[in-house]
Amino acid sequence: GAVVSQHPSRVICKSGTSVKIECRSLDFQATTMFWYRQFPKQSLMLMATSNEGSKATYEQGVEKDKFLINHASLTLSTLTVTSAHPEDSSFYICSASGSAQPQHFGDGTRLSIL
Amino acid sequence: QKEVEQNSGPLSVPEGAIASLNCTYSDRGSQSFFWYRQYSGKSPELIMFIYSNGDKEDGRFTAQLNKASQYVSLLIRDSQPSDSATYLCAVADAGGTSYGKLTFGQGTILTVHP
Repeated sequence: GAVVSQHPSRVICKSGTSVKIECRSLDFQATTMFWYRQFPKQSLMLMATSNEGSKATYEQGVEKDKFLINHASLTLSTLTVTSAHPEDSSFYICSASGSAQPQHFGDGTRLSIL
Repeated sequence: QKEVEQNSGPLSVPEGAIASLNCTYSDRGSQSFFWYRQYSGKSPELIMFIYSNGDKEDGRFTAQLNKASQYVSLLIRDSQPSDSATYLCAVADAGGTSYGKLTFGQGTILTVHP
């Protein structure tokens, strides 16, 4: 099946730090990538949708200046959490889809802000 | 407001039994439907997708779709303890591509006991 790689798998850092998460589609061209956040025992919450070469579309209530998304190529999207605070601690998961591929998820990044 | 409804469970079945997971959706124009499995602390994994009315079988899994009733289900035959997970039903936005934005249900927790 399709493989989506997400890195890093876990980040622990101090409040005020910016954190970059990478999402790569390894064996297909991802025309669209999605970024989700999931709190414990809750369902996935879509944060934003990005299409290669275009600006990301953010869901209501998600601060675009805080969660910077770049999708510069058909295989790579990045999410940068700027000036992270403890309330940003969560499980961040990317997914990728292509012209012949439904959404496949990366392994997720567990972010802990101290 | 698009809605995807699942019984949160937990659904408990004995090993070897058939587990039946159900999902209803509100947008009558939806065309593409997906089932993901999510183990605790992990990201979702795509296990089935279905676009046409009727049944689609893949190994021990059968997806069933009834667009007239706006109902999609997942049957797991010969359930194993390793099938214990949260099962997420997802529906692609009507008018979008099969590989675009998904609306997820809250998930059904399945427990298979020996």
